[in-house]
This record gives sequence, structure tokens and C-alpha cells, in this order.
Amino acid sequence: AQKVTQAQTEISVVEKEDVTLDCVYETRDTTYYLFWYKQPPSGELVFLIRRNSFDEQNEISGRYSWNFQKSTSSFNFTITASQVVDSAVYFCALSGITGGGNKLTFGTGTQLKVEL
Amino acid sequence: DTEVTQTPKHLVMGMTNKKSLKCEQHMGHRAMYWYKQKAKKPPELMFVYSYEKLSINESVPSRFSPECPNSSLLNLHLHALQPEDSALYLCASSQGASRGDRGSEQYFGPGTRLTVT
Repeated sequence: AQKVTQAQTEISVVEKEDVTLDCVYETRDTTYYLFWYKQPPSGELVFLIRRNSFDEQNEISGRYSWNFQKSTSSFNFTITASQVVDSAVYFCALSGITGGGNKLTFGTGTQLKVEL
Repeated sequence: DTEVTQTPKHLVMGMTNKKSLKCEQHMGHRAMYWYKQKAKKPPELMFVYSYEKLSINESVPSRFSPECPNSSLLNLHLHALQPEDSALYLCASSQGASRGDRGSEQYFGPGTRLTVT
């Protein structure tokens, strides 16, 4: 069985603050894939990043960075210098090779509110 | 181009109506998905089509009937729905589930907001 836990239901920050969204996962697969998606109020899920279980290299893309640590089964997401446009629900998701690699298990999401 | 389109954007239907949701992608993806999302909840997988064949059905009631006419199109036929079926229905696509494409990212459409009265 697979499980993704996003313990932070809602986070509020003031613009320009840094914020980290936590994601902890559980899987018995040795090959698996981790994702982050953003869902703004408009409703569309926007793909942000994909990581496979063999690639623990951290990644930075502009103001976004991701920290993947297999030892703690975590895949955390940091937004640096947050902006109002970052306000959205962020979902962490997992797919394992057992399910063919295309069956996503989502966390419950973290609502991020960035205020002026 | 990473666009998945869905029509209609909004749909209101009665419990005796028959309607269809449509999804289209032109990224050459060979896997397509239907998800249902209730307010303040994560998306729930309903169906997966891989190479135009139904590969996953997550025990969805028969009042939801998927169809994949070709590799670019995915439909969801609705009949005799219940008010609790009101939700955002999301379509997604990904490269596929062949050995080289496993775990590929899914691209989502904007969704159809369905209200059943």
C-alpha cells in the first residue's frame, strides 16, 4: 500500500517570506516516483516536478526548490521569497512501479496563502 | 505544447439526464485518466486508459462509462447520476506505461465542474 502525508493543512505567510511544504511518503516499492502539483483557485492541476527513487539530487528551479531524502521518506518543497501568485493548494503525489507507475496516490494537500 | 483540453467547463444536469464529458490532448501521450475531485479533497482516480484500452477501473459505479475513441480523445458518459456525484472532473494524460515511460508525469486539463440536481 502507498501513502502520502502532508501534515500541514494550511499555511499563511507574508509576501517575501520563505515557506517549506512537507511531504512524507510510504511505499514498499523500491522503484517509485514522486511529484508535486499546484492547484490554483481556477482548479487546474499544474505539474511542478517529478523525481524517481534513484535520484536523490536536490533540485532548484527559480524560487522553487525540492529536498528529497530517502532516509526519512520525505520530499519537501520550499518556495523562496513567496509571492501572492503562489497562493494555491499544493499536492505531493507518489506512484509506485507495482501499479505500472501511472497510478498516483495524492496527499491531502497544503493550502498556501500568501498575503501582502 | 502541454495542453489538455476539457469540455464543457461547467455542467448542470438532472438525475435522469444523459451527458458526456470530453477530453483531448495532442501531446502524443498514450495514457489518459479520469479523476474526480470533491471540494478540499485530493483528486481520486476513476479510470486509466493505456494505449486506448481500459487498464484501471477503480470500482467506479456503472453510471459513469468511459470511452477512448482514439489516442487523443477520452470521453466520460454520465447517466442517472446522484447529487453526491457533483464534483470537479479532471482529465489527465501522460506518456504511457511502457517500460521506458513508467512514472511519467501527468498533465491535467482545467476540469469540468459538474452539478447534479
